[in-house]
Amino acid sequence: DTAVSQTPKYLVTQMGNDKSIKCEQNLGHDTMYWYKQDSKKFLKIMFSYNNKELIINETVPNRFSPKSPDKAHLNLHINSLELGDSAVYFCASSQSGPGYTFGSGTRLTVV
Amino acid sequence: AQSVTQLGSHVSVSEGALVLLRCNYSSSVPPYLFWYVQYPNQGLQLLLKYTTGATLVKGINGFEAEFKKSETSFHLTKPSAHMSDAAEYFCAVSDRDKIIFGKGTRLHILP
Repeated sequence: DTAVSQTPKYLVTQMGNDKSIKCEQNLGHDTMYWYKQDSKKFLKIMFSYNNKELIINETVPNRFSPKSPDKAHLNLHINSLELGDSAVYFCASSQSGPGYTFGSGTRLTVV
Repeated sequence: AQSVTQLGSHVSVSEGALVLLRCNYSSSVPPYLFWYVQYPNQGLQLLLKYTTGATLVKGINGFEAEFKKSETSFHLTKPSAHMSDAAEYFCAVSDRDKIIFGKGTRLHILP
């Protein structure tokens, strides 16, 4: 069983569209995260949720809106996609204590 | 604020040679430190982590790292490189709320 699963794995879309990426974890963790990995492989945190509550909201355009319907799910919705949004988006989860479990990533390409 | 510096964006070693990937951190609190590996087109896998206790930490695939507080370092080593070690390696520090990643080091293995 996959611990942290993201869908879709690949997403190609046109500028201006709205898209969502879904993430689910079956580890029973309380905290979930979204990270963005740019073309230079740099990983930067975007959001974190703890038990459905937003904990971290880094400097991210408000076109990005996370939603956590329950503590096992954290989805990312992106409005009005731009070329610069092309990246790999990673979901992760953790329990109290150090270390995350990462999903396998969603490669978003905006054309 | 915590930060991580990885020295060398690319490191090349011959198969069978020692692998040394350098990482220095900055932290205002006792740090949790991590090394993650990312194989091409895959997610991040935890190699090892330091929380408290023994400063020499052993991880998967024969890797280990030593926490040196006086040098604020957490270098990753492996005695003998294998072709399958070719990947991107990320050092990271946790400030309890989130993990902050270094910019990564691409390890190349020469036959």
